[in-house]
Amino acid sequence: DAGITQSPRHKVTETGTPVTLRCHQTENHRYMYWYRQDPGHGLRLIHYSYGVKDTDKGEVSDGYSVSRSKTEDFLLTLESATSSQTSVYFCAISGSKNYGEKLFFGSGTQLSVL
Amino acid sequence: GIQVEQSPPDLILQEGANSTLRCNFSDSVNNLQWFHQNPWGQLINLFYIPSGTKQNGRLSATTVATERYSLLYISSSQTTDSGVYFCAVEREDYKLSFGAGTTVTVRA
Repeated sequence: DAGITQSPRHKVTETGTPVTLRCHQTENHRYMYWYRQDPGHGLRLIHYSYGVKDTDKGEVSDGYSVSRSKTEDFLLTLESATSSQTSVYFCAISGSKNYGEKLFFGSGTQLSVL
Repeated sequence: GIQVEQSPPDLILQEGANSTLRCNFSDSVNNLQWFHQNPWGQLINLFYIPSGTKQNGRLSATTVATERYSLLYISSSQTTDSGVYFCAVEREDYKLSFGAGTTVTVRA
């Protein structure tokens, strides 16, 4: 168990509202990631972090921002949610002494933007 | 970016059967991992295998990095093996790219 939790597990929101998803890890993994999963598109990387306050864009970063102020927390923010951002969002972690480069996923957040 | 192709896209098995899933990638990689997504959506890491062969119970995986492919073997399949199997590769910068997956259905 790599000790990763996502919150909330489900969220319904309206177009134009801000949304923040949280990822929390307990085993001091260096790297943290946000992916989205959509039918027909598989898993696509939104943003990732390689350390506190060190983040970079993935392949589908438009409309999303991230922050990592502590090793254990990685936040994904949709500044103004759109219907195209309805998806399942997964946080993932890697880069620890115990597990090396193995990637571990959280349980996911089902986000619906109406 | 690096291309990851998985085959077959769908696989239906009778319980007890063996199967092989394939992952081809378009460039040299530093990192290759296999994942299983169960019917409830949970993603489980099966193998970290940038090269060589590993076994974990009824599952085994082989990566031939020089020929740019990896194989996942499922032996004596069980209904609990159903789900989607993903291959993911990393070329640089710790960013894994995922294939589209193979959907496996094991029938009792």
